[in-house]
Amino acid sequence: NAGVTQTPKFRVLKTGQSMTLLCAQDMNHEYMYWYRQDPGMGLRLIHYSVGEGTTAKGEVPDGYNVSRLKKQNFLLGLESAAPSQTSVYFCASSYSLKESTDTQYFGPGTRLTVL
Amino acid sequence: QQQVKQSPQSLIVQKGGISIINCAYENTAFDYFPWYQQFPGKGPALLIAIRPDVSEKKEGRFTISFNKSAKQFSLHIMDSQPGDSATYFCAASNSGATNKLIFGTGTLLAVQP
Repeated sequence: NAGVTQTPKFRVLKTGQSMTLLCAQDMNHEYMYWYRQDPGMGLRLIHYSVGEGTTAKGEVPDGYNVSRLKKQNFLLGLESAAPSQTSVYFCASSYSLKESTDTQYFGPGTRLTVL
Repeated sequence: QQQVKQSPQSLIVQKGGISIINCAYENTAFDYFPWYQQFPGKGPALLIAIRPDVSEKKEGRFTISFNKSAKQFSLHIMDSQPGDSATYFCAASNSGATNKLIFGTGTLLAVQP
C-alpha cells in the first residue's frame, strides 16, 4: 500500500498562472480532504469530499476548486494563483466501510510558491 | 474564529523529561480528539486519539488527559527523547459531520540530549 500520494512535491508559479494538484489513495477510503498549512496557523481545511462525484467547501475555499471523478483521486485546482496561496498543501483520506475509523491519513505534501 | 486553541507554541524539554501540550475547544458537539505528530518535510501522522467517554488514554509514553467539563485536553510525553522532536497538532471533530478536523496551531517540540 502506497497510502496517500501527492504530485507534484514542489511547484513555483507566477501570479495568475493555473495548476492542478493531484492526490491519490489506495486504501479505498470514502472521504478525502485538502488542507493548507501555514506557519502559526495549523492546518486549515480547503475542500473535502465524502464520496466519488461529491465535493464540499471547507474553512478556506476561496480561490480553489476541486473534483473527485474517481474514488481514489481528489484534485485541487488553482485557476489564477495569488501570492497568498503560497503554502504547503496536504491531502488526507479517511473512512472505509470495511474499517470504520475516524483516522485521517495524510500525504507527504506539496510545497507551492506563488511569485 | 479559532475553535481549538493550542499552547505553547514551542517547547524545549531535556531528554527524559515530561512534555506537556494543552488544547482547549469551544464546540461541545466535538466527540473525537486526535493528536497528530509531524516531522519536517513530512505529512502529519496520527499519534493518539481519545473520545469524551474516557478521561485518559495511554499508549506507551504518550498519554491524553481529557477534561470534558473544562473543554480541555492535553498530551503528555513521558521520558521525552530526541526522536520525539517534531511539531504536534491537536484536533477535534464531530464524527457525525463527515469527520472534518479542526486543528490547533501546533507546538514545536525540541528535546535536547
